[in-house]
Order: sequence, then structure tokens, then C-alpha cells
Amino acid sequence: ILNVEQSPQSLHVQEGDSTNFTCSFPSSNFYALHWYRWETAKSPEALFVMTLNGDEKKKGRISATLNTKEGYSYLYIKGSQPEDSATYLCASNNAGNMLTFGGGTRLMVKP
Amino acid sequence: EAQVTQNPRYLITVTGKKLTVTCSQNMNHEYMSWYRQDPGLGLRQIYYSMNVEVTDKGDVPEGYKVSRKEKRNFPLILESPSPNQTSLYFCASSWTGATEAFFGQGTRLTVV
Repeated sequence: ILNVEQSPQSLHVQEGDSTNFTCSFPSSNFYALHWYRWETAKSPEALFVMTLNGDEKKKGRISATLNTKEGYSYLYIKGSQPEDSATYLCASNNAGNMLTFGGGTRLMVKP
Repeated sequence: EAQVTQNPRYLITVTGKKLTVTCSQNMNHEYMSWYRQDPGLGLRQIYYSMNVEVTDKGDVPEGYKVSRKEKRNFPLILESPSPNQTSLYFCASSWTGATEAFFGQGTRLTVV
């Protein structure tokens, strides 16, 4: 079983603050790193899938970076809004087709 | 509309009574998988399938069966449910294990 870890487990920020979370994953036999956004009572939705070392992807105010050599990815949210409140999940795909998820970072943005 | 459909959304059942949770996708995806979500544990993969008639165990396959007779359907079967299988279950589909996954709405199962 792969060890995918996310930190922090939860985070409270004020509207307008910028924030970031970390995902660490095994660097051996790496295929892809996924980020998902999961709102309460809904299904997880894909934000990014990254495969190459040094990859950086952006969607609006959210961006992510990938370091496959050291096994970590950062997710950044610029100018957090209340609608950004959700759990952010990362998942690693290593040496095959299994996808292993981290425990998630729960973000709460206060107006 | 591209979607993954799970049924039922909610189910309360008794220990030992066989049940099936259905999952269907309309995107012609090759890869389908089942996850369970428990508080504090995140999403854990139960089984996955890379194509028709090809299935593999995930991290927590004990007590579950799956089948993939057609590309669009991937049912999850609990032959003899037990209370420790009370959980929130998600089905997902994607082109491969390394591409973005589309999740169903979830099935909340309670085994008493």
C-alpha cells in the first residue's frame, strides 16, 4: 500500500488570504499525481493531473506544482473565497493503475 | 451529458443479505474503479478495472466482488455484508489510471 500524505489536515483562512497545501507521495515508479476538489454532499471533481517533474498547472486562482524527484506537490489558492471551502484531495498513480489517495486537506474560508 | 451514475444513493441493509451497487458511465472510458470513504481515512480503492473482463484488487478488496462484462457497467457486489462495510462508496471512471477521474454521486450504505 502506497503512502500518500497531505498536510495540513484542516485549515481556516480569511476571505482574501492566499494559502497552500502539500501532498507527499512515493517518487519511485511514479506515473501521475491528481488533485481533486470535494465539496460537502457532492462528488470529488478533478482539478489537475500532472505527470512531468516541474509541471505547473493553473485554473483560475488555483495552481499546482509537481516535484517527482522528491515526491511532493503543492496546491496554491490565491485570494481565497468562501466558495473555495472544500476538501482538497491528492492521489498518486505509481507503477500501474492503482490510484492511492491522501487523507485530504479540509479548507474553510471565512467571509 | 457526461456522467457516472450509481444506484442506489442510500441503502440500509442487514448483515448477510447480498446486495449490488450499480455503476454506469456514458463516456466510453476504459478504466473504472470503486472506492470507500470512511472518516479520517480518505478514499480507499476497493477494486479497479482497466477494460472489459479485466479487474484487479485495490487496497481494501476483502468482502467485495466486482464484474466488468460490458465497458459501461461496473457493479460492486457484497455477497455477505457486515457492519464494518458501512461506508460511503464512490464509483469513478477515466480513460486510464493516470487521467482525471469522473466520480458518481456516491452510495451511502449502512449495514445493521
